[in-house]
Amino acid sequence: EAGVTQFPSHSVIEKGQTVTLRCDPISGHDNLYWYRRVMGKEIKFLLHFVKESKQDESGMPNNRFLAERTGGTYSTLKVQPAELEDSGVYFCASSQDFVTSGSRTDTQYFGPGTRLTVL
Amino acid sequence: AQSVTQLGSHVSVSEGALVLLRCNYSSSVPPYLFWYVQYPNQGLQLLLKYTSAATLVKGINGFEAEFKKSETSFHLTKPSAHMSDAAEYFCAVSRTGGGNKLTFGTGTQLKVEL
Repeated sequence: EAGVTQFPSHSVIEKGQTVTLRCDPISGHDNLYWYRRVMGKEIKFLLHFVKESKQDESGMPNNRFLAERTGGTYSTLKVQPAELEDSGVYFCASSQDFVTSGSRTDTQYFGPGTRLTVL
Repeated sequence: AQSVTQLGSHVSVSEGALVLLRCNYSSSVPPYLFWYVQYPNQGLQLLLKYTSAATLVKGINGFEAEFKKSETSFHLTKPSAHMSDAAEYFCAVSRTGGGNKLTFGTGTQLKVEL
């Protein structure tokens, strides 16, 4: 079974440009999370989808960030316009729905991340 | 609010020696606690998790961690380090009762030397 995949693996853009990151969760996983790690700091939560609905977007830094999950499958995270401080590694994770897994601590499976560099 | 502190951003051990990675947490509600490992160019992989059952939790690759409420700690140990254990390790906490967003520590890079 394929794990969580993310595209691209690396992206280098100029300040002011737009970048779109994509995450494909494990098939059948209703929960999808985005996290970000700025260099030298901790991995921070950005938002959580349950199917196509945003369950919690309390970690989104500002309105330059837009996340979507059309049809409850893959998700995109768009940064427009990008700023220098947006540089970092963006991780996506997915987990089963709580009913299927029987646990509210169902494991989050992480993708390899997208390394974004804004120049 | 919840937080995690990992003591030591870099830890170096000899092959065959004990591995001890420290994690202290802060939580106003009973926590769920996790250790993840990230090997180069890979995603985070769950090593083990504490969910209010047994306080000593055994994980993959010979790792284990003990939840100590009185010390608000969840340190990760392995009796004998192997070269393949070299990676970055993250401690994380989430709230009980759902939501499940993880709050991570800053990570500890483990180096294993011959």
